[in-house]
Amino acid sequence: NAGVTQTPKFRILKIGQSMTLQCTQDMNHNYMYWYRQDPGMGLKLIYYSVGAGITDKGEVPNGYNVSRSTTEDFPLRLELAAPSQTSVYFCASSSPGTGSQPQHFGDGTRLSIL
Amino acid sequence: RKEVEQDPGPFNVPEGATVAFNCTYSNSASQSFFWYRQDCRKEPKLLMSVYSSGNEDGRFTAQLNRASQYISLLIRDSKLSDSATYLCVVSRSQGNLIFGKGTKLSVKP
Repeated sequence: NAGVTQTPKFRILKIGQSMTLQCTQDMNHNYMYWYRQDPGMGLKLIYYSVGAGITDKGEVPNGYNVSRSTTEDFPLRLELAAPSQTSVYFCASSSPGTGSQPQHFGDGTRLSIL
Repeated sequence: RKEVEQDPGPFNVPEGATVAFNCTYSNSASQSFFWYRQDCRKEPKLLMSVYSSGNEDGRFTAQLNRASQYISLLIRDSKLSDSATYLCVVSRSQGNLIFGKGTKLSVKP
């Protein structure tokens, strides 16, 4: 059981380039999330999705886009990469239920914008 | 008041010590509470859920005080492998969770 899988694990981009961070989960979870974590800081929610075809903004959505065409996949797109987007990006998923269920994380994508 | 507040530490303790972490949250409507651990440069991993009556998992005990909006984690008989950052996590809405910035624990031989 792979859980949440993120690719790539590392990437270096030039300012102004674009890229897509991939995230897929095999747990049939409806809810999926994208976070970023800057050094020494907590997790900040970028976007989330409660099911296929439904996405919503989190705390820090500017400069990012997402789509959710299937239950399994939740890619994060960076358009016009900026140095401020240098961070570690985590994708997570959870199942719906009474209250909020714990989230399961992928092992992250380390992104540097130079 | 921040949504979730934790003492950042670091807590430096010898092996075998008992250490306690505290966390406060601002949203009285929060229903779900968790402790995660995060190793350096790794993803957060669920340590345990926190229930109103308090709960224990081996050397780890979690407590919730809804009236004071306060959560705690107690680690007994600390091991070197317990060295990590411990994240206090509180539910918001739509399945969303708010992660505290974490408390760093370093267990020394």
